[in-house]
Amino acid sequence: AQSVTQLGSHVSVSEGALVLLRCNYSSSVPPYLFWYVQYPNQGLQLLLKYTTGATLVKGINGFEAEFKKSETSFHLTKPSAHMSDAAEYFCAVTTYTGTASKLTFGTGTRLQVTL
Amino acid sequence: GAVVSQHPSRVICKSGTSVKIECRSLDFQATTMFWYRQFPKKSLMLMATSNEGSKATYEQGVEKDKFLINHASLTLSTLTVTSAHPEDSSFYICSALPSVLADPWDTQYFGPGTRLTVL
Repeated sequence: AQSVTQLGSHVSVSEGALVLLRCNYSSSVPPYLFWYVQYPNQGLQLLLKYTTGATLVKGINGFEAEFKKSETSFHLTKPSAHMSDAAEYFCAVTTYTGTASKLTFGTGTRLQVTL
Repeated sequence: GAVVSQHPSRVICKSGTSVKIECRSLDFQATTMFWYRQFPKKSLMLMATSNEGSKATYEQGVEKDKFLINHASLTLSTLTVTSAHPEDSSFYICSALPSVLADPWDTQYFGPGTRLTVL
């Protein structure tokens, strides 16, 4: 079984400040990890994903995340927040079984960006 | 590329009626599609996995007879909420997995969601 825990349902940062959204996972097999962003009343957009290889993954809109196996973490960061980054962010985990795998989502973190 | 559409984007219906939501992959074929439900300020809950030409696989606790899923073609899956009640009001999101995977860990592409309100 796999699960995802996102610490902090609501994070507020000032424009230009560092963004750090936390995600810890639990998986019995090597995980594939994702970060998605959801703007109000919209579907999910993939920010970045980790499958294998380099543990520091760069995504769209200046976001990146680092897979740390020893800490079972996949935290999302952005050096400088922009007002347009305000949205809901979901961390997700899946395991590849040779067929379509299921995504298990965390409960989400709402990012607020203030002036 | 990899665009998924949903129709309608918003629907209001009376209690007891049925509502059909369409999910289309516009520029790729999708053997597998997924249906999620999202409650206000909550995460996405997988309802069912829809496979083209076969019966959908429902998650535990999801009523098959209430949430009818049909995946008749490689680009279209439908979710019908039968005899809808106010507690069925929610945001329903579909996703599609390309039939031809760019890599073994290809991601699901999500639709924009459908807001269902049952009066």
